[in-house]
This record gives sequence, C-alpha cells and structure tokens, in this order.
Amino acid sequence: DTAVSQTPKYLVTQMGNDKSIKCEQNLGHDTMYWYKQDSKKFLKIMFSYNNKELIINETVPNRFSPKSPDKAHLNLHINSLELGDSAVYFCASSHGLRQVNTEAFFGQGTRLTVV
Amino acid sequence: SQQGEEDPQALSIQEGENATMNCSYKTSINNLQWYRQNSGRGLVHLILIRSNEREKHSGRLRVTLDTSKKSSSLLITASRAADTASYFCATDALRGSTLGRLYFGRGTQLTVWP
Repeated sequence: DTAVSQTPKYLVTQMGNDKSIKCEQNLGHDTMYWYKQDSKKFLKIMFSYNNKELIINETVPNRFSPKSPDKAHLNLHINSLELGDSAVYFCASSHGLRQVNTEAFFGQGTRLTVV
Repeated sequence: SQQGEEDPQALSIQEGENATMNCSYKTSINNLQWYRQNSGRGLVHLILIRSNEREKHSGRLRVTLDTSKKSSSLLITASRAADTASYFCATDALRGSTLGRLYFGRGTQLTVWP
C-alpha cells in the first residue's frame, strides 16, 4: 500500500549506458515530479507532469526524458549516462498545481551511481 | 536563486532540549512547507503554513512564518533521538513561471543525542 513507489532503489551502471527509473503513485494525484538530490543534499526539481502533460522542465540535459503513460506513472529515462549524473533521484506526487495544499509525497529514492 | 535557505546547516542537541531551525526565502509564496528526511530515505511532509498564517502547531512541532521578512522557523520541542534527521523547508511560489514548483533548501541536519 505504498503511496509513491519507485524502482529500482539502487542502480549502478557504467558511463555511456542508458537506464530507466520507474515511479507509480496510488494517491490519485494529478501531478507528479522528478527531483534530483546531490551529494550535499541539495534537492532540485527536474520535471513536473500534470495529467500526463509536461508542465515544468527545468534546465536539464536532453539526455533525460520523462514519460508519463498515465497520471499514476512517471518514468525517467536517461541516455548516455555521465559521472555527474550520480545522485539520488526522487519521484513525488501532489494534488493539482492550483490547489492550495500542494504538499508533496515522495518515493524512497533511487540512488544512481555511474562508474 | 529561489530556493529556501535553512539555518543552521547542522544542529546537535541533547534529548529533551528544543531544536529551532530557520528558513529564509526570496519570492512571494503561496505556502511554505517543512519536510523531514531520515538518512537514506525519502522526504516526509511535516507541516504546511499558508502565506496568510503566522503560526501553526502540530504535536511537538511549531512553525512560524513572517512574510515581511520572508522567513520561517521550525521548533521541535522536547526532542527525542528519533528526531535525528535532515529538515528541509520548501516554498510553493505564488505565481508566474515558477508556479507549481516546490523550491527546497539544503536542509538542516539535526542530531539528537540520548
């Protein structure tokens, strides 16, 4: 009955590989996010989808491509992985953007290590 | 930048003491939120305070918001070892191109010693 689940929890891969991280939420939320947390714990938004539509795309290399097959799922595909992509990636969800209460529910994170 | 900034970066106290963390931000906000992150885990929402509120309580947590100073504080009373975690503030922008984004600070690492 996990609210926001993402897989895998750990991902170790070589430079140049392509990998995907999956995320699913069972909260009935309209909005889903991907955040990146670096080694200094700085948490930065990457993407946001509302009802399967991309609404936020921060300055992220186009090697990163989110895909939302339905509003309960938001996957993150990363091409040509680089050492600097090593970080913890968090999926999150919340009610629609223009709701007052926009508290976000986070997944447990995917620790990506590029070697 | 638009993210919140927590202060201090690290705080170490004894069980039973109170812990106060501060957050400053730069833009007009819809609301401000505090989250907790245990080591190796995801963030957990603690409390949300709206821009028209000045103080809010939830159990041992007390949050204040001063929109004129663009600052907030989180007070944890009678701390416990289990409160050891990183605490983040996040601002929900009021309007414009930043609408819908939650901007997080770098967090305050709280350590509570038994």
